Amino acid sequence: GAGVSQSPSNKVTEKGKDVELRCDPISGHTALYWYRQSLGQGLEFLIYFQGNSAPDKSGLPSDRFSAERTGGSVSTLTIQRTQQEDSAVYLCASSLLRLAGLTDTQYFGPGTRLTVL
Amino acid sequence: EDKVVQSPLSLVVHEGDTVTLNCSYEVTNFRSLLWYKQEKKAPTFLFMLTSSGIEKKSGRLSSILDKKELFSILNITATQTGDSAIYLCAYDRGSTLGRLYFGRGTQLTVWP
Repeated sequence: GAGVSQSPSNKVTEKGKDVELRCDPISGHTALYWYRQSLGQGLEFLIYFQGNSAPDKSGLPSDRFSAERTGGSVSTLTIQRTQQEDSAVYLCASSLLRLAGLTDTQYFGPGTRLTVL
Repeated sequence: EDKVVQSPLSLVVHEGDTVTLNCSYEVTNFRSLLWYKQEKKAPTFLFMLTSSGIEKKSGRLSSILDKKELFSILNITATQTGDSAIYLCAYDRGSTLGRLYFGRGTQLTVWP
């Protein structure tokens, strides 16, 4: 694809509801990342998928957050029982391949702005 | 805990001015430092720096890394209104994990 795409672009939900955010990485990219950006803050790492390896979930802030990546391509980030502090822009990025000793350039999607009322 | 500190947090200049954005980091391991430009939501890649003292340049933008003093600078000459954005600095620790560690960014506003 031309770039990383995310949907929806904006999501407004009520406290306590579940939400699903979707990310379509660049075709052929094996690595996929989720970050969260709260107002005035830098990007906070959430989770990382690399090929068929077990994901790195070390950045997930609570057990209400989960993510999956089906078929090594599309990823869904799910937030259960949303809280107001979950309001942020959720960014997805992908990179071509994580080679030992090298940094892969991460290409970001436009993000999903989540607002929890 | 490792961290990235960017300064200033915000900067307002007029078109034609030159700006210097700073990024300092405290890391136990380091592979590379990256700069991104974030205009609306999607950060776009600018530079990746791995070696000290070697300037990377793209048009009016340039960046350099000092691994001894643990900082990097991003210079923008002859600024234009289109340069208005948040500039993010991030580093790769060089572990087997892919995550980047980001600073809070510098909000640059260029007035006509």
